Amino acid sequence: AQTVTQSQPEMSVQEAETVTLSCTYDTSESDYYLFWYKQPPSRQMILVIRQEAYKQQNATENRFSVNFQKAAKSFSLKISDSQLGDAAMYFCAYETSGTYKYIFGTGTRLKVLA
Amino acid sequence: EADIYQTPRYLVIGTGKKITLECSQTMGHDKMYWYQQDPGMELHLIHYSYGVNSTEKGDLSSESTVSRIRTEHFPLTLESARPSHTSQYLCASSELRASGDNEQFFGPGTRLTVL
Repeated sequence: AQTVTQSQPEMSVQEAETVTLSCTYDTSESDYYLFWYKQPPSRQMILVIRQEAYKQQNATENRFSVNFQKAAKSFSLKISDSQLGDAAMYFCAYETSGTYKYIFGTGTRLKVLA
Repeated sequence: EADIYQTPRYLVIGTGKKITLECSQTMGHDKMYWYQQDPGMELHLIHYSYGVNSTEKGDLSSESTVSRIRTEHFPLTLESARPSHTSQYLCASSELRASGDNEQFFGPGTRLTVL
């Protein structure tokens, strides 16, 4: 069975600084997708960034980028120039291709300090 | 924000009551999901549907039931609520992208408290 592990329950970052959230996963599948979702307090969960396992190039979306290490089964999220609005729970998620179901990690609460 | 809606947003009820949590989406997505999430914790899939008249149980056992009579509507029902059902329930829908992955769009959630 696949598992997703987020070992940092909580992280803090100063406004305008960079922070990296860690995620590791375990799977025997070769075709899968990885996601980072953001859940702000009392607001809807939204997709931050996605990565296809068959792509070696790391995904980037504006200030958000990932470091995807397939052999190490690691998928970390880097947030550059952190903003107060980045404060949220961040969940790493895994999907085996064709299953249409996610497995979520336990989440990391990110605090942004002014 | 995504066009997926949940009602009620908050519900406090007594033990033994029957409740239905509503979820609707206007995006025409075939796939819909229900997750249970305790505060600050991970999401656990309790039900999912790949289309009309299709429902499956998720990875976390739940005493709730679901139905999918219309594409846009995926209600969750608890026949007899208990304090152990106290949690947040998130509904999601998804579409298959050209890249092959399956982006899920989430509703705002229903926070249920059973006294």
